[in-house]
Amino acid sequence: NAGVTQTPKFQVLKTGQSMTLQCAQDMNHEYMSWYRQDPGMGLRLIHYSVGAGITDQGEVPNGYNVSRSTTEDFPLRLLSAAPSQTSVYFCASKLTGSDTQYFGPGTRLTVL
Amino acid sequence: DAKTTQPTSMDCAEGRAANLPCNHSTISGNEYVYWYRQIHSQGPQYIIHGLKNNETNEMASLIITEDRKSSTLILPHATLRDTAVYYCIVRVVHSGYSTLTFGKGTMLLVSP
Repeated sequence: NAGVTQTPKFQVLKTGQSMTLQCAQDMNHEYMSWYRQDPGMGLRLIHYSVGAGITDQGEVPNGYNVSRSTTEDFPLRLLSAAPSQTSVYFCASKLTGSDTQYFGPGTRLTVL
Repeated sequence: DAKTTQPTSMDCAEGRAANLPCNHSTISGNEYVYWYRQIHSQGPQYIIHGLKNNETNEMASLIITEDRKSSTLILPHATLRDTAVYYCIVRVVHSGYSTLTFGKGTMLLVSP
């Protein structure tokens, strides 16, 4: 299994641009989530999904959209990037009912 | 949601045991204690979790006090590759599904 994969690894955007961070897992996990990590802030939950077609907001959802059309994929969309969205983004997945989350390698995003 | 308190940083000599403390004095009876770690530039990695009893796996041991207000993660023979930020997390329930709230963690530096 590849586990949780994320693309791209690095991205630079200009303010106002849009982009999609990709996340995929091949472990047939129902639960997937997106976190952002900022210096001195730990990880903060952005959005999560408990299965295909079901998403919900986390702690810091503003400025981000998600969808879950398949079990494997959980993309995170930035519609109009802002400098405040400069961060490292981690995708994670787990089986529903399990509390062991598997994290991807992260995407480092810079918004100028 | 129960909060956790961890030291900001700790040092450990290679080959010695690393004992990482965590206070969670407001933990409720059905909340678990989880430990994750994050090696630099990588996604977080699950280590161990427990409810009341002490737990051990191939990576570490978890000692939870009888009143459950604190716990200690023990890496019995620390190596340089154990240098990482260690997060103590108390499981919360979010909209009926579990999620994890990451704090700032403890930066463990293992030295030769």
